[in-house]
Amino acid sequence: EDQVTQSPEALRLQEGESSSLNCSYTVSGLRGLFWYRQDPGKGPEFLFTLYSAGEEKEKERLKATLTKKESFLHITAPKPEDSATYLCAVASGSARQLTFGSGTQLTVLP
Amino acid sequence: SAVISQKPSRDICQRGTSLTIQCQVDSQVTMMFWYRQQPGQSLTLIATANQGSEATYESGFVIDKFPISRPNLTFSTLTVSNMSPEDSSIYLCSARASSGDGYTFGSGTRLTVV
Repeated sequence: EDQVTQSPEALRLQEGESSSLNCSYTVSGLRGLFWYRQDPGKGPEFLFTLYSAGEEKEKERLKATLTKKESFLHITAPKPEDSATYLCAVASGSARQLTFGSGTQLTVLP
Repeated sequence: SAVISQKPSRDICQRGTSLTIQCQVDSQVTMMFWYRQQPGQSLTLIATANQGSEATYESGFVIDKFPISRPNLTFSTLTVSNMSPEDSSIYLCSARASSGDGYTFGSGTRLTVV
């Protein structure tokens, strides 16, 4: 059974204070690791898909990396508008659905 | 990537009644999924909606309670039947495009059962 664990549960940063969110996973045959952003009252918004260890992707202040056991979402010089819950999910083997972690609630203070 | 329109965005319902949630995708997609997200928690898969066949339900979810329709490659509905306050949650649909591994989500339906 696929398992996804995210840490920390909540993170408060000052504007400009860089940090990283962690997503550790246990799967049988990773087909993809996904990062989403979710704002209150809205559906998850797709950020990145990573497929193999060593892969990195960037979008504005966000950078996602992947190893064989975990993924990191690095946030560089965050702004208050980056405040949201960040979700990590995996797709594995022949499964077509995603298994989600519990999310990290990020708050960036001005 | 596909764009999903989900409605209603929210509803308040009496216990014992049923609510049908609709999701329309702007392109043909191979697979659609229905999730539940309880307050402060992550997403839990309810079922996978297959076009032309019955939905595949996850453990803890049954067809009598959450009947699903998938009449074509762009549309699906989820019905929450005989509702109780424990069904109060956000319900989300998701679609996987025919090419690639992109998964897109609707904006969600916030359901409150009183």
